[in-house]
Amino acid sequence: GAVVSQHPSWVICKSGTSVKIECRSLDFQATTMFWYRQFPKQSLMLMATSNEGSKATYEQGVEKDKFLINHASLTLSTLTVTSAHPEDSSFYICSARGLAGGYREQYFGPGTRLTVT
Amino acid sequence: GDSVTQMEGPVTLSEEAFLTINCTYTATGYPSLFWYVQYPGEGLQLLLKATKADDKGSNKGFEATYRKETTSFHLEKGSVQVSDSAVYFCALVSSNDYKLSFGAGTTVTVRA
Repeated sequence: GAVVSQHPSWVICKSGTSVKIECRSLDFQATTMFWYRQFPKQSLMLMATSNEGSKATYEQGVEKDKFLINHASLTLSTLTVTSAHPEDSSFYICSARGLAGGYREQYFGPGTRLTVT
Repeated sequence: GDSVTQMEGPVTLSEEAFLTINCTYTATGYPSLFWYVQYPGEGLQLLLKATKADDKGSNKGFEATYRKETTSFHLEKGSVQVSDSAVYFCALVSSNDYKLSFGAGTTVTVRA
């Protein structure tokens, strides 16, 4: 139980285009989803927290207009990287928290590798 | 604020060797503590957790004990395998927040 999926697993896009990444909780309702960014050989950096039906809360230094987050249902959150540039290339990981496992436990997706050329 | 300090890597071991990765934390209240593992090109998997002092989390031969007196949650495995090669992250969630604070990660390579 408590499975989180991400789609796509990897994507290559051209500079200036937008890319949407989906995060789904497959067998539980996710009241809160988190989006992280991970650079090579580094730890995870929390980008934003989203609660179903409300606006996302972004961490300091994360551009809200560049990284659009939507959490329209209890099983789906999306991250859209708008007007992507090569510096946005990274590994993006989502996690979900719900009633399963208690409020302190997060379940992670497999990640999405974004390459902007 | 809350923080996690993790042993610097990389760590290289031979198969069947003993592994320990040190982790200490700073937090207010009573945090929950976690170890996550990340295999190359993949997301994070929860390895084990402990939610209160003196709890011992264990899974797949790995163990970690929540030590409040030393604010530590060291990860240990008695006999590692090549398949244990991965990056290991220590993390905490504080009692008054829901955000995970991660350590820097420790890369472990096990040689046959």
